[in-house]
Parts: sequence; structure tokens; C-alpha cells
Amino acid sequence: KAGVTQTPRYLIKTRGQQVTLSCSPISGHRSVSWYQQTPGQGLQFLFEYFSETQRNKGNFPGRFSGRQFSNSRSEMNVSTLELGDSALYLCASSLSAGHTDTQYFGPGTRLTVL
Amino acid sequence: KQEVTQIPAALSVPEGENLVLNCSFTDSAIYNLQWFRQDPGKGLTSLLLIQSSQREQTSGRLNASLDKSSGRSTLYIAASQPGDSATYLCAVSTDKLIFGTGTRLQVFP
Repeated sequence: KAGVTQTPRYLIKTRGQQVTLSCSPISGHRSVSWYQQTPGQGLQFLFEYFSETQRNKGNFPGRFSGRQFSNSRSEMNVSTLELGDSALYLCASSLSAGHTDTQYFGPGTRLTVL
Repeated sequence: KQEVTQIPAALSVPEGENLVLNCSFTDSAIYNLQWFRQDPGKGLTSLLLIQSSQREQTSGRLNASLDKSSGRSTLYIAASQPGDSATYLCAVSTDKLIFGTGTRLQVFP
């Protein structure tokens, strides 16, 4: 069974640009969550989608947005990039909503903002 | 506000030792607790999940315990190997995962 895949694996952008990251969950999983990992703040929750609906959102500005498609694939968008957005962005998938079961993480997308 | 702490922050041991990694959390209202490992620059690999109603889970050389009333979990690694070198993260689940800062483990031959 294929794991969680994320594309692209690496991105370099400049301040002010926008970026879209993609996450394909494990087959049959309907929940996708996104996390940001930085050396200073550690792993922080961005949002969770289940059956194309955003269930929960972390404490991030509105520049961070996401969506989920009918096949459960999810995209995350960051607009007007800032230097502080440089991070490893991880997505996780699971069968159920609400983080009540095992979360399976992808390899991440490393975003560098210059 | 839920806070998760991991002790120690780093650990370096010779191969073959038995290890205990600690995780503590401030609010016992959790669905479950999950342990992960992360290799440098990589994603997270799930090791064990303990539901809030359970006391422990075992997988191979790994054993995790949960004491919800005291807000503690431990990950026990038996007979450590160099391949166990990684950062170990615990996370408590409410309506999202709240992660600790991790324990960086190095096992040397």
C-alpha cells in the first residue's frame, strides 16, 4: 500500500510570491492534516480536512489556506510569502476525522523563502 | 492550553543499552498519544499509538506506556541499535496533534 506522498519535495520562492503544495493520502484515508515544522517553533498544526470540509484550523494567518478534493487529495496554498514561512511542511492522513486514530505522515515539502 | 514536554532533549548511548524517553503533558483530556521517529530532513514515522483508555502498547523492541492521570508517557527501547538514531517525538491528540520538542537519540557502535 503506497504511503502519503507530497509534491514537490523542495521549493525555493522569493518574498511576496505564492506557493501551492500538494498531498496525496493513503488510499482509503479521508482525513488530511497539515503541519509546519521549524527549528524555533517545532511542529505546529495548520488545518485538517475531511470529506472536502475544513474541520479545524490552527493559529496561522489567513495567508495560509487549503482545500481537499473529492479523491481526498489536498492542497495547501500560502500567499504573499514571508521569510518566516521557510519551513518543512508535512501532511498526514488518517481514516477518521478528529485525530482519533493513527496519523501517517508524508516526507514533507521543504520550502525556502528568499 | 495543552503543553507537551520531552526529557531529555538529547541522549547519546552505546549500542545494546535499554533506554527510556519521557513525555509529559499538562491536560489529561486527550484522545490518544502517539510516538513518532524523525530522521534528519525527513517526515515522521509512526511508532506506537496508545488510546486514552489504554495503559501500554508494544511493537518489537518498543514499549510505550501512558498514565493519563499524571500526564506522563514513556517510550522504552530495548537493546538499542545504531539504526535507532533519530529524533523521537511524542504527540497528544485533542482535535489536532500537539507535539513535544523531541528527544534526539544517538546510538553509537
